[in-house]
Amino acid sequence: GESVGLHLPTLSVQEGDNSIINCAYSNSASDYFIWYKQESGKGPQFIIDIRSNMDKRQGQRVTVLLNKTVKHLSLQIAATQPGDSAVYFCAEIPSYSGGSNYKLTFGKGTLLTVNP
Amino acid sequence: EADIYQTPRYLVIGTGKKITLECSQTMGHDKMYWYQQDPGMELHLIHYSYGVNSTEKGDLSSESTVSRIRTEHFPLTLESARPSHTSQYLCASSESGKNIQYFGAGTRLSVL
Repeated sequence: GESVGLHLPTLSVQEGDNSIINCAYSNSASDYFIWYKQESGKGPQFIIDIRSNMDKRQGQRVTVLLNKTVKHLSLQIAATQPGDSAVYFCAEIPSYSGGSNYKLTFGKGTLLTVNP
Repeated sequence: EADIYQTPRYLVIGTGKKITLECSQTMGHDKMYWYQQDPGMELHLIHYSYGVNSTEKGDLSSESTVSRIRTEHFPLTLESARPSHTSQYLCASSESGKNIQYFGAGTRLSVL
């Protein structure tokens, strides 16, 4: 069945370095992807999204790359800060159920730790 | 910041008790969702609603029930809590025609 998963469960980086968090998906028909950040004790917070007709989208200090050939999604965080420490989830909206589907399927998450 | 609120934030309760987890949003969003999340794990959709008087079960089977009598309110009820219900429950909402879901802070439920 469809699934969204992450290559690495944990990532540790030095403050100021760039971080790359990866995500693999299996539903080639998915047409929408979101990255969420979840800090300890809080609900997920929207970071950035991308549609399948794009291969790159940039936000403030974040970039999402989509490679549909290998069904891979990545989140790049520039100049990582201690406040970026959190669990990062990718999520997709499978399009198999038609355009009225708004249900997100979440991956397992990557814990990002930023060392000062 | 999204205006979606969950109460209580933490709940410790004994087996067999009936509980209701509250979720309210002030954004006028049509769509609302409940997710279950175990520590360090992904979110699993257990219920969703695309509007008043509309509720559907999600991808993960749950013994809980929901109701949507008002647009802004989407409570989740467990008639008889069990230790297996111990988890974090997250509520979310999204605007009509949009995919981004906004989450509340969650309710961490412990059933003894």
